[in-house]
Amino acid sequence: SQKIEQNSEALNIQEGKTATLTCNYTNYSPAYLQWYRQDPGRGPVFLLLIRENEKEKRKERLKVTFDTTLKQSLFHITASQPADSATYLCALVSGDGGYNKLIFGAGTRLAVHP
Amino acid sequence: GAGVSQSPSNKVTEKGKDVELRCDPISGHTALYWYRQRLGQGLEFLIYFQGNSAPDKSGLPSDRFSAERTGESVSTLTIQRTQQEDSAVYLCASSFYGQGGPTGNTIYFGEGSWLTVV
Repeated sequence: SQKIEQNSEALNIQEGKTATLTCNYTNYSPAYLQWYRQDPGRGPVFLLLIRENEKEKRKERLKVTFDTTLKQSLFHITASQPADSATYLCALVSGDGGYNKLIFGAGTRLAVHP
Repeated sequence: GAGVSQSPSNKVTEKGKDVELRCDPISGHTALYWYRQRLGQGLEFLIYFQGNSAPDKSGLPSDRFSAERTGESVSTLTIQRTQQEDSAVYLCASSFYGQGGPTGNTIYFGEGSWLTVV
């Protein structure tokens, strides 16, 4: 069966360190993968998209990698800040028709401590 | 407004009643999506609209759930005879392109409608 797995346990790190979140998937061949941030009581906010032919994508302190052989994406936040504390969701496109039917993982909660 | 707008933001209803949840997508966005998120869980796809048509309604959990979109704009998600298991946040999202458009365009989410069935 198709699965998207993110670490269900919260990730606690110290301010200034690099946070690394993992997204693994099985039985999908996604054309691209997206990462979203979700704060409590709010809707998800798009952060980054990476395509299957891209190995790495960066945006400011964020970096995403996409390994289609391992079926894994890693999401890094460098020089983390308490304001980065949130739940981070990975989502990949599924289905045909070329539209953005995103299938989401359950998310990993990140807590950055001062 | 500039973003996706959903109403009501909170709804408490009695088991067995019907509820309607409304979504106003970003103006000009042809694609509209509904997702459900139970407490502490990920987003569960419900239905996708391209214009006023719903080419993918595979995520609707039962025939108590229905949705429509009119004027290629506003969408309403209706839950009939609500059950306690329907309690969740219902998130609406829109994107400029949908079917046939370039893949990977950004999807924008609303803040959700929190439904509690008592």
